[in-house]
Amino acid sequence: AQRVTQPEKLLSVFKGAPVELKCNYSYSGSPELFWYVQYSRQRLQLLLRHISRESIKGFTADLNKGETSFHLKKPFAQEEDSAMYYCAPPDGTGANNLFFGTGTRLTVIP
Amino acid sequence: GAGVSQSPSNKVTEKGKDVELRCDPISGHTALYWYRQSLGQGLEFLIYFQGNSAPDKSGLPSDRFSAERTGGSVSTLTIQRTQQEDSAVYLCASSRTSGSSYEQYFGPGTRLTVT
Repeated sequence: AQRVTQPEKLLSVFKGAPVELKCNYSYSGSPELFWYVQYSRQRLQLLLRHISRESIKGFTADLNKGETSFHLKKPFAQEEDSAMYYCAPPDGTGANNLFFGTGTRLTVIP
Repeated sequence: GAGVSQSPSNKVTEKGKDVELRCDPISGHTALYWYRQSLGQGLEFLIYFQGNSAPDKSGLPSDRFSAERTGGSVSTLTIQRTQQEDSAVYLCASSRTSGSSYEQYFGPGTRLTVT
């Protein structure tokens, strides 16, 4: 099974400060990873996927195979970034198990 | 278009009673997932359906939990003899297929409270 680890359950930063949400994975091969976000009273939704190399709402995530990490970063946090963030692998292993990380709750302090 | 829908949105039940939670996936999505979201526990995989294949039940926490998917569309998660520790938000998601790079679309969840 593919596993991801999000070491921080809670993270607080001040508005305008840089933010980094950590995600490490523990499987070999060519990982493909996603970040999902859940804003207050909204559905869990995809934020970005690493293969698209996109920047969504100012967030980026780079896959570092050497460190087996997929940290989510934003240079200047905004209050509306406060949410629950989950790192997740897809389920392409054939085992059909998809293990989300335990999530990190980000609070941006005004 | 219509997203994933779940019903009921909230369910309060007494310990020991059975409950059924429903999920309507996005039309055409062959993969369907059930998760449980508990406070402080993150997102816990429960069960996965892919087309007509046998479901992956490896995440079900006990034999009180079961799920079925009829006609490759609607799914029902059943919890028998509910316990207080079953209280959580139950999320359903669907995707076009399994495998890499396919985004999961989540429903709004059913908040289950066992008293």
